[in-house]
Amino acid sequence: QVQLVQSGAEVKKPGASVKVSCKASGYTFTSYDINWVRQATGQGLEWMGWMNPNSGNTGYAQKFQGRVTITRNTSISTAYMELSSLRSEDTAVYYCARGVKLCGGDCYSFDYWGQGTLVTVSS
Amino acid sequence: EIVLTQSPGTLSLSPGERATLSCRASQSVSSSYLAWYQQKPGQAPRLLIYGASSRATGIPDRFSGSGSGTDFTLTISRLEPEDFAVYYCQKKWTFGQGTKVEIK
Repeated sequence: QVQLVQSGAEVKKPGASVKVSCKASGYTFTSYDINWVRQATGQGLEWMGWMNPNSGNTGYAQKFQGRVTITRNTSISTAYMELSSLRSEDTAVYYCARGVKLCGGDCYSFDYWGQGTLVTVSS
Repeated sequence: EIVLTQSPGTLSLSPGERATLSCRASQSVSSSYLAWYQQKPGQAPRLLIYGASSRATGIPDRFSGSGSGTDFTLTISRLEPEDFAVYYCQKKWTFGQGTKVEIK
């Protein structure tokens, strides 16, 4: 069965960086995009960026441009999201999610999600 | 950039009742692009509907989606206890702010 398993909770100081991993299993890792979505406590979902694990191509939300980097290691079917220059507003649960086109055109949804990784930014 | 506005913010209903959730887009959206998710406390979101009206694998048929252009609807025909949750609509990189369905 398809699974995305993320790394554990992190506590970071303002200005530091955090790197969260997302290990895929149950499908061919290079066949589907990996996206990163975050959610602050009590808030909605915020898309951060995507990566094509086959090509390594990436795209980022404008809000995070220059601060977020998504990479992968295909040999271990793992994607990574690194967020730098952390501030208190970055405290959130970070999810990886598999992106799929279940219908034609620009139809794009997230069919499998990781369990989430809580990142706390505090001095 | 498209904005998705969901209403109401909170819906208070009893088990067995019908729930109707709205998602309005700031510009016309091809119906193929609209998806809905359910999220329970402490859990990741779960894909319910894609392409505006197609149920994802394993989703009960009490969940249905409809709409076109700028107005989309998620309907839960008869609420089960496990359906009380927050629901989000999504078009590619954009999510609505969510509608909470709570027990009345």
